[in-house]
Amino acid sequence: EVQLVQSGGGLVQPGGSLRLSCAASEFIVSNYWMHWVRQVPGKGPVWVSRINKDGRRIDHADSVKGRFSTSRDNAKNMLYLQMNSLKVEDTAIYYCVRDFVGAEDHWGQGTLVTVSS
Amino acid sequence: QSVLTQPPSASGTPGQRVTISCSGSSSNIGRDSVNWYQQVPGKAPRLLIYTTNRRPSGVPDRFSGSKSGTSASLDIYGLQSEDEADYYCVAWDAGLNGYVFGSGTALIVV
Repeated sequence: EVQLVQSGGGLVQPGGSLRLSCAASEFIVSNYWMHWVRQVPGKGPVWVSRINKDGRRIDHADSVKGRFSTSRDNAKNMLYLQMNSLKVEDTAIYYCVRDFVGAEDHWGQGTLVTVSS
Repeated sequence: QSVLTQPPSASGTPGQRVTISCSGSSSNIGRDSVNWYQQVPGKAPRLLIYTTNRRPSGVPDRFSGSKSGTSASLDIYGLQSEDEADYYCVAWDAGLNGYVFGSGTALIVV
């Protein structure tokens, strides 16, 4: 069964850092563009970033540009989101997504990031 | 405020056809395809329609997408109680260089 298993969420103070991980199983992550999407509970989803198959093309939403970094390790079949200078408004459930808006779209279980003092 | 505008809510009775609209601009829907997600509480969004009118494997053909100019629509035929959920449109925005979601529509099956 195709799975994206996420880890790394939790509580962090404003200005702090956190790294989210997304482990893929039963498929080869290097065959897909991978994305991060976040959602404040009770609100709509918001696209955060994407990375192409070889990791050379990366795009981030303006709201996180310069603070968040997206990377992948194809050898480990992993996707990462490094989040620095975190703000209260970054509090959300973060999802890693395979082939976002594509025929093989598949979402991880989500991980909650809470930024609070 | 979302870049793509949807009605906050829609409703229908079982068996009916319901249409959910999504209004954008020339930098998103007007130049690129539209996609639609369904989300029930506590779950991750589920892709219903991609590239404006294509369905991923497993999505019933009761769901249909279309677009005209800078607007798009999701049609749900033969409404079922299990269709009660939130629906979001999504498109690439060339001006923002990123994907943008619609404001979301809560579908109620009465």
